[in-house]
Formats: sequence, C-alpha cells, structure tokens
Amino acid sequence: DGGITQSPKYLFRKEGQNVTLSCEQNLNHDAMYWYRQDPGQGLRLIYYSQIVNDFQKGDIAEGYSVSREKKESFPLTVTSAQKNPTAFYLCASRKGQGNTEAFFGQGTRLTVV
Amino acid sequence: GESVGLHLPTLSVQEGDNSIINCAYSNSASDYFIWYKQESGKGPQFIIDIRSNMDKRQGQRVTVLLNKTVKHLSLQIAATQPGDSAVYFCAENTITGGFKTIFGAGTRLFVKA
Repeated sequence: DGGITQSPKYLFRKEGQNVTLSCEQNLNHDAMYWYRQDPGQGLRLIYYSQIVNDFQKGDIAEGYSVSREKKESFPLTVTSAQKNPTAFYLCASRKGQGNTEAFFGQGTRLTVV
Repeated sequence: GESVGLHLPTLSVQEGDNSIINCAYSNSASDYFIWYKQESGKGPQFIIDIRSNMDKRQGQRVTVLLNKTVKHLSLQIAATQPGDSAVYFCAENTITGGFKTIFGAGTRLFVKA
C-alpha cells in the first residue's frame, strides 16, 4: 500500500541534543512538507521541498534543518538551537505543484526531558 | 499577512444533527481549498476539497460551500456521528513564496450521544 511513514511515533530528547525525525513516502510525490503542531493549535510550516536537492524555509524554520537527497525521504533535524522543541511533528507529501491535497503521516511526538 | 482562520474553536452537537464548521480566509488569490479531519494523536486526513470556480461540492455526508465574495468557507456534516468527533482544519493552497498549504487554527467538534 502506498503511503507516508513517520518514525518514531514517540521520541524523547535531552536538552542540548540534536535529534532527527524520519519521513518516508512511496507515493512518488514530488513535494514534501514538515509541520509543527502544539497542543490545541493549528499546523505551522517548518520546511518544505518541491523537488529533490531543493528545499525552502517555512514560517518557523529557526532551530530546524532538513535534507532532500532522495525523492522518497525528507528527514527533519531538531537542533539544540530550537528553544522549545516539545511538540507534535507532522510530515506531508503532495503530488507535483498543482492543486491537490496533501497526504500526512501519523506524526512524531517529541518531548524534551 | 495572509491567513486562514476559523470562527469557532469548539462545536458541540447532538448525534444525528447536522454540523456546520466555518472558516474565513484572507488570500483572495487562493484558488483551492481543503478540509481536513484530525483525530487525537494522528495526522490530518483529507475530507473534501473545492476549487475557486465552484460554489459547492458534495461528498459522502459532507458538503463544502465557498463564498468568494466574503472569503468564507464552510463544512457541513449531515447526520453527525460519534466518529465525527475530531478537530477540523480548513486549508488553502498558495503559491506565495513557493507552493504550500496554509492551515487555519482548527475547530474541535464534539458529538454528544
């Protein structure tokens, strides 16, 4: 079955450590996105990539980094520079740049301990 | 700035009644709108979409209405069921600064049995 997979589902990080969240899709989608969701809040765009080897900052990119070396993969690194990293992180993908819906993974809940 | 927002943060309805969730958008250039449903601890799921050349679109038990004059979007759920309890987001696709989807804050729907 085609889909988008995020791992792990739960992640704990000590303060000052970098951590990488995985996002893989087998939908052959060109565009991929990372969103952050805080409790009771909407989705805020962190980074997005419209094509392999290219990505753009979203609204809250500070303290995060991404790479897009393969079409299927768009990992997100939460660095120690992110002051408040505890949140629910959602990855999404979309076919091309036309008006189509985004498909979401099941999310990774990151907690700083 | 450009934004998509919701009028009501929470909505409580009786099982079997119809639900109406509203959304206001401010980007007059947006031409594609989507409603997503998000259950607790999961990623958002596509419900229905509508393009700006349409006023109404119907799905299974759901209808989306678009009023471009007042920049208003609504989601109607017929015969609301307990399984409809979730947070509902409206979103718009924009090409401003690169092709991306902007989400509203969301409305939490409670269905009372």
